Amino acid sequence: QKEVEQNSGPLSVPEGAIASLNCTYSDRVSQSFFWYRQYSGKSPELIMSIYSNGDKEDGRFTAQLNKASQYVSLLIRDSQPSDSATYLCAVRGTYKYIFGTGTRLKVLA
Amino acid sequence: GAVVSQHPSWVICKSGTSVKIECRSLDFQATTMFWYRQFPKQSLMLMATSNEGSKATYEQGVEKDKFLINHASLTLSTLTVTSAHPEDSSFYICSADPDTNSPLHFGNGTRLTVT
Repeated sequence: QKEVEQNSGPLSVPEGAIASLNCTYSDRVSQSFFWYRQYSGKSPELIMSIYSNGDKEDGRFTAQLNKASQYVSLLIRDSQPSDSATYLCAVRGTYKYIFGTGTRLKVLA
Repeated sequence: GAVVSQHPSWVICKSGTSVKIECRSLDFQATTMFWYRQFPKQSLMLMATSNEGSKATYEQGVEKDKFLINHASLTLSTLTVTSAHPEDSSFYICSADPDTNSPLHFGNGTRLTVT
């Protein structure tokens, strides 16, 4: 079992719709969770961080964390073509960050 | 805040030469920095963890004699690709976090092409 799992996609959504990206992790003691966006040929940029159970909203983005289910998700409301990118889920381990392989999102105009 | 600067952004070198990539934390001190490599359409792969004042910790399968890491100060880590070969052509990205409660921030990456 991979430490951080994501569906590779592509996930295609129409412009204006809600995109839902999911991630599961295996280490129960993990406390810090992050979502990064990576455009092709660029380095990852931080979208959201979440540390406690529940929802955290920032603009069009909402991160959701459920530690009991070892599940973290990212919702993107009113999706725009500029949101088309690969979204990486990351979990902070004891000494390093564990990244998922990323979900490729395509927002169709 | 939490800006990580990486230089150069791209470099082309001939096979057999060495290339040095610099990673600087501009507004915070980083005792630890992480070096990643990413091939086209593949995921990030952690190469090594750079530790200020001590030896780097390399991931399994990464040749420490080929990828030399130096973390001589709290704001600078360098990765030197020695005797580069075409198969070393990749996107190299460094990252750091201000503290264990803060997110990881990435440099802009260095695209290395070995001819």
